[in-house]
Amino acid sequence: DAGVIQSPRHEVTEMGQEVTLRCKPISGHDYLFWYRQTMMRGLELLIYFNNNVPIDDSGMPEDRFSAKMPNASFSTLKIQPSEPRDSAVYFCASSFRGMNTEAFFGQGTRLTVV
Amino acid sequence: SQQGEEDPQALSIQEGENATMNCSYKTSINNLQWYRQNSGRGLVHLILIRSNEREKHSGRLRVTLDTSKKSSSLLITASRAADTASYFCATVLTGNQFYFGTGTSLTVIP
Repeated sequence: DAGVIQSPRHEVTEMGQEVTLRCKPISGHDYLFWYRQTMMRGLELLIYFNNNVPIDDSGMPEDRFSAKMPNASFSTLKIQPSEPRDSAVYFCASSFRGMNTEAFFGQGTRLTVV
Repeated sequence: SQQGEEDPQALSIQEGENATMNCSYKTSINNLQWYRQNSGRGLVHLILIRSNEREKHSGRLRVTLDTSKKSSSLLITASRAADTASYFCATVLTGNQFYFGTGTSLTVIP
């Protein structure tokens, strides 16, 4: 397996534009997590899915953020409209049987909003 | 904050020395996990220790857990330059809440 695949690796966009980040989890994993990493706030869990269903989105900072998982092999995190304070590295991770087992992380998407 | 706090924030040692980093947390946990992050990369899982375990080993890694003190330590023995990275503890609370600590930046000097 190629591991968790995220795209794009880097994204530079102008304030106000819509940004879509993509993630392909490891085949067979039933949990998918979206994290954001910044120097100021460290690693924050934004949302996680179990069997494609959102379970906890309490970490999503505001309504401008939305996440979907239309099937077991694909998830998106969308920011609309984007703001400079959204600049961060966004990680997707997947696991089998949730947080009681190890999570496998993608390489991340470095988002810069100018 | 429910996050774990790693100590020290930064650590610099010579190759061959042992590196110890600590993690403290605030509430009861289900398990605690340690991850490594190389610069510009994603996190890599190192080891998971459950709340009813006190010590685990994996290669040159040794993790201890003291639930009475709400703390864990990660020991890397005989460090190598390739161990240079940031190390994070992640606490899994009952109810599946999952929090990463602030990280320890380890530099191993060849």
